[in-house]
Amino acid sequence: GEDVEQSLFLSVREGDSSVINCTYTDSSSTYLYWYKQEPGAGLQLLTYIFSNMDMKQDQRLTVLLNKKDKHLSLRIADTQTGDSAIYFCAENHPDRGSTLGRLYFGRGTQLTVWP
Amino acid sequence: NAGVTQTPKFQVLKTGQSMTLQCAQDMNHEYMSWYRQDPGMGLRLIHYSVGAGITDQGEVPNGYNVSRSTTEDFPLRLLSAAPSQTSVYFCATQVSGTQYFGPGTRLLVL
Repeated sequence: GEDVEQSLFLSVREGDSSVINCTYTDSSSTYLYWYKQEPGAGLQLLTYIFSNMDMKQDQRLTVLLNKKDKHLSLRIADTQTGDSAIYFCAENHPDRGSTLGRLYFGRGTQLTVWP
Repeated sequence: NAGVTQTPKFQVLKTGQSMTLQCAQDMNHEYMSWYRQDPGMGLRLIHYSVGAGITDQGEVPNGYNVSRSTTEDFPLRLLSAAPSQTSVYFCATQVSGTQYFGPGTRLLVL
């Protein structure tokens, strides 16, 4: 199936860590992504992880992947008010013999950061 | 290098009207796709193309047509607009597993 599930809302205080969770269903996904969308804007690719990795760190962002449980998380360290946005998890369904393919998105998690 | 551009930014249509949403890219990416985003929903794939002359349907293709005569352009046509097509439409290209999104077109069908 193509169901990607995320919790809809998360509120944190400025300076705390945020953890956004996602579950997916397709074990053949080759890439898993996190996108950020600010109000009225398009989607900005934040980071992605190959399915053969467990963890990826990129400055304040840490992605953890548990393939057994099909669980993906995004941790934002030292969350700032500018991090307030909707965060989408997405999985890639590769076409045969290719790394390209369709993306299936979750509904997005609205992150609100309080000063 | 403009990346992925979409026009128009906003559009209001009456039920039954037709229109074309434009998408262009200057990155020479073969793979392009169209998504729609509705409130409280993730993006859903409408149509996609793996290269010039090749298109295929996504999750929600009904009411939309696409063509891909060049690598650069991937227009999305609404044949007879319906209120259910009120949405934000995003075009994207893909290379090496990474998708690049345009800024979106907000469409309101009355």
